[in-house]
Amino acid sequence: ETGVTQTPRHLVMGMTNKKSLKCEQHLGHNAMYWYKQSAKKPLELMFVYNFKEQTENNSVPSRFSPECPNSSHLFLHLHTLQPEDSALYLCASSPSLVAKNIQYFGAGTRLSVL
Amino acid sequence: GDSVTQMEGPVTLSEEAFLTINCTYTATGYPSLFWYVQYPGEGLQLLLKATKADDKGSNKGFEATYRKETTSFHLEKGSVQVSDSAVYFCALSGTGNQFYFGTGTSLTVIP
Repeated sequence: ETGVTQTPRHLVMGMTNKKSLKCEQHLGHNAMYWYKQSAKKPLELMFVYNFKEQTENNSVPSRFSPECPNSSHLFLHLHTLQPEDSALYLCASSPSLVAKNIQYFGAGTRLSVL
Repeated sequence: GDSVTQMEGPVTLSEEAFLTINCTYTATGYPSLFWYVQYPGEGLQLLLKATKADDKGSNKGFEATYRKETTSFHLEKGSVQVSDSAVYFCALSGTGNQFYFGTGTSLTVIP
């Protein structure tokens, strides 16, 4: 148990659906992250939030829309996805954005887009 | 830009064998280096880290030494167990405070 909880664990959606992924951390951290994990590729950093403010958006398509209402919760809203968006989406948190900080990961949401 | 390159898997070893997973990095400045492990069905967990040259990180019998001269951070374990079967990720955190992960190396240990 890392203190970072992601729901749902599995999600299947059609290309016209709208769904949301949720991440919650109970560690008192101030920075939160969304990553995409695809087979045989490095983890791709998607978004970074620090004290609820977005600090990084790594050229992510607009069909992915993050939301961070407070330092403990992070959402990823999905709409009109493509089959190539199927992947494991990981949420992480860290005490701050300092380079030496360890990131704590959730178990991920396995997304399949049909 | 900063990046990490780790050996491709999968790696299959017998129990009690010696493990090495190679990792090299490219970075400006002085990054921190990490190894994370992902067990089946779980997220990534920190295994060990090193924050400056010549530091050795160690945990659960795994070790890695931060070698600036060879820009490497190879993961080693003297005697692997079945429970070590997982995917191992090398990562660095450097300029801009971003994390850069390798592609992961899958390890299977057979009894």
